[in-house]
Amino acid sequence: KQEVTQIPAALSVPEGENLVLNCSFTDSAIYNLQWFRQDPGKGLTSLLLIQSSQREQTSGRLNASLDKSSGRSTLYIAASQPGDSATYLCVLRYWVDTGRRALTFGSGTRLQVQP
Amino acid sequence: DAGVTQSPTHLIKTRGQQVTLRCSPKSGHDTVSWYQQALGQGPQFIFQYYEEEERQRGNFPDRFSGHQFPNYSSELNVNALLLGDSALYLCASSFKNIQYFGAGTRLSVL
Repeated sequence: KQEVTQIPAALSVPEGENLVLNCSFTDSAIYNLQWFRQDPGKGLTSLLLIQSSQREQTSGRLNASLDKSSGRSTLYIAASQPGDSATYLCVLRYWVDTGRRALTFGSGTRLQVQP
Repeated sequence: DAGVTQSPTHLIKTRGQQVTLRCSPKSGHDTVSWYQQALGQGPQFIFQYYEEEERQRGNFPDRFSGHQFPNYSSELNVNALLLGDSALYLCASSFKNIQYFGAGTRLSVL
């Protein structure tokens, strides 16, 4: 059974800092990994998707990496802004058996960027 | 394109009642998944519908049931509500294995 852990659970940084959010998983047989942000009481907004064959994806100030061998993904946020304050969720789609995939969420990292 | 839409936005029920939540997927998406997100927790997978059938199910009791219609929209039904069913219920539709989420329905059970 795939388990996903996100560390730290919460993070508070001053505006302008570069920061790294971590996501660890126990089974390397993943199909893809997706990073989302969630604002309080809201739905999820997709940030970056990394396919199993890829090592990283970039979008603006965001960079996500994937290392299947070590069971890790990182989300790098450059020059953080107060608007980046949200919960960041790591989501894995992985193979359960031949032809069937499942989805598992991490519990998230709550980020607060102080102006 | 309206994206994934969910209704209602908020709902208040009492213990023992039944509730139906609705979801319209993003245009062109045929797969709908439902998730329960308790306060401060990550979403937990309830089930997934494709071609009007339940294809996968998470660890939720039979009180949680669903339906998908020919136009790919979906309903989540919860019977005999418990206080612990209070949560944000998220619907996601997918295309090429990329999930698109709705804003959720916040259910409060009193």
